Amino acid sequence: GEQVEQRPPHLSVREGDSAVIICTYTDPNSYYFFWYKQEPGAGLQLLMKVFSSTEINEGQGFTVLLNKKDKQLSLNLTAAHPGDSAVYFCAVSEGGRALIFGTGTTVSVSP
Amino acid sequence: GALVYQYPRRTICKSGTSMRMECQAVGFQATSVAWYRQSPQKTFELIALSTVNSAIKYEQNFTQEKFPISHPNLSFSSMTVLNAYLEDRGLYLCGARGGGDEQYFGPGTRLTVL
Repeated sequence: GEQVEQRPPHLSVREGDSAVIICTYTDPNSYYFFWYKQEPGAGLQLLMKVFSSTEINEGQGFTVLLNKKDKQLSLNLTAAHPGDSAVYFCAVSEGGRALIFGTGTTVSVSP
Repeated sequence: GALVYQYPRRTICKSGTSMRMECQAVGFQATSVAWYRQSPQKTFELIALSTVNSAIKYEQNFTQEKFPISHPNLSFSSMTVLNAYLEDRGLYLCGARGGGDEQYFGPGTRLTVL
């Protein structure tokens, strides 16, 4: 079945710097991709949903890139601020099935 | 809009006892419901996927005998953690999907086992 590897497991950046998290998946039939943010003690907050037809997706303060050739999904936090400190998860779906989550990246943004 | 509620939000049970948690979809028909567990400092593991008119499919490390699931209608699902032990503690998420492919997550039930 699908496997999703996420790296790095931990990321420390200074306020204003950028941070990149990369997920690599195995199933070429996957066509829905998600990034979630989990703050301490909380559930999941959907940051972005990406369809396989869209390679570049821009959100508020971040960009998501999908590289289908290499089966990689990346989240680029631009100009990080302390409010971005959280655990970030990617998730992949073939559609019609449940999500397979990456292993998570703990991001710490220092002032 | 589409919302998913879970209750209880937090619960504590004694080791060896059982605990039931519920998931309710509002604003859409939950044709499938997936249950996940996030153990402390871990990612979200899929426990099982329940699809209307199909058998509930459990993932490799989870069984119906340990995590029985009910999905009686298009708005409700429940899961019980039977004979809970320390390794069962964590955040249990319910993800419900309607006619489209987006999965809506509830806030989770946090289980502590003493």
